[in-house]
Amino acid sequence: AQSVSQHNHHVILSEAASLELGCNYSYGGTVNLFWYVQYPGQHLQLLLKYFSGDPLVKGIKGFEAEFIKSKFSFNLRKPSVQWSDTAEYFCAVSNDYKLSFGAGTTVTVRA
Amino acid sequence: EAQVTQNPRYLITVTGKKLTVTCSQNMNHEYMSWYRQDPGLGLRQIYYSMNVEVTDKGDVPEGYKVSRKEKRNFPLILESPSPNQTSLYFCASSSYGDTQYFGPGTRLTVL
Repeated sequence: AQSVSQHNHHVILSEAASLELGCNYSYGGTVNLFWYVQYPGQHLQLLLKYFSGDPLVKGIKGFEAEFIKSKFSFNLRKPSVQWSDTAEYFCAVSNDYKLSFGAGTTVTVRA
Repeated sequence: EAQVTQNPRYLITVTGKKLTVTCSQNMNHEYMSWYRQDPGLGLRQIYYSMNVEVTDKGDVPEGYKVSRKEKRNFPLILESPSPNQTSLYFCASSSYGDTQYFGPGTRLTVL
């Protein structure tokens, strides 16, 4: 069975600070990797995904993530956050048909 | 517009009163899934369906039923709801192995 671990439960930042959220997964086979974002009161939206190729993937709103296969990691980064990045962020891993989520990281950006 | 719709969006009910949450997608996706979201636990998969008449249990299927008689619809049925099923529920759909698209969520309270 696959599992996903997100390192931080709650991160508080000031605007313009850099953000990095850790994600590790356990699964021995080929996986697809995702980061989803959930803004307050809204449903989940895809930030970015990795299926194959360049392990550094760029998503929407200036986010990027790096897949490091040897470390089973898929960390999310943004160089300079904005107040509007306040949200909950979920890392997810899928094999062919099952999508498993981490517990989520709440990010609060202070103006 | 491509979307996943859920109804109702909010529901307050009492223990033991059967209820159904509907989910419909207009993207001709083969795969559909139900999740529940609880604080600190992220999203946990309840049931999924890989195509019409093909359903299987996810991580937390107890107390739930599903059916997939048509490709576009995937209702979630709680035959005898209990307070521990108070949660935020999301339906999602995707093409096989691809990004899942989420519905707006159904907030269920069982008294």
